[in-house]
Amino acid sequence: DVKVTQSSRYLVKRTGEKVFLECVQDMDHENMFWYRQDPGLGLRLIYFSYDVKMKEKGDIPEGYSVSREKKERFSLILESASTNQTSMYLCASSREKGSIYGYTFGSGTRLTVV
Amino acid sequence: KQEVTQIPAALSVPEGENLVLNCSFTDSAIYNLQWFRQDPGKGLTSLLLIQSSQREQTSGRLNASLDKSSGRSTLYIAASQPGDSATYLCAVQSNNAGNMLTFGGGTRLMVKP
Repeated sequence: DVKVTQSSRYLVKRTGEKVFLECVQDMDHENMFWYRQDPGLGLRLIYFSYDVKMKEKGDIPEGYSVSREKKERFSLILESASTNQTSMYLCASSREKGSIYGYTFGSGTRLTVV
Repeated sequence: KQEVTQIPAALSVPEGENLVLNCSFTDSAIYNLQWFRQDPGKGLTSLLLIQSSQREQTSGRLNASLDKSSGRSTLYIAASQPGDSATYLCAVQSNNAGNMLTFGGGTRLMVKP
């Protein structure tokens, strides 16, 4: 089974801190994605990547950046955390662009910024 | 722009009932449709994936159907159990959305003992 592993289940950070959320997949998937999920707003795409060192903005990239130095790892970076970035963050991967094989999600990171 | 709608938004049923969750989408040019389950505070677990050329998929007590021409999918849960209580999300991966997933708003299911 494909596994997408998010390094932390729960994180509490202070306003202004630089925060790294890590995601690793173990099935050589080309594509990786970061979403955030908020009550009433559903899942919103932050950034995605189709290949190593490539990144594309999703629907809500402001305040975030990403890094993909290796195929299996996709990091989400909050340059200066703010309270409105308190959310559930979900990482996903898929086999290739336009894949018929679907997405696999990680177990999520609940981030609280105080 | 692809739009995905799930009805009902919430559902409460007694244990043992068979139930149907509905998902509709506006653009039939899709690669696939996935049904996910999400427990409170957890990530998404893929339940069933139907490729665009398929009509249905089954896994245990779950059966999902796809009618691309009418833009509809249903998730059928047989003999529901309290452990089925969760939010169920439908998502389509479509050509006109840059191959991205478009999610429905979800159906929150509660199965009462």
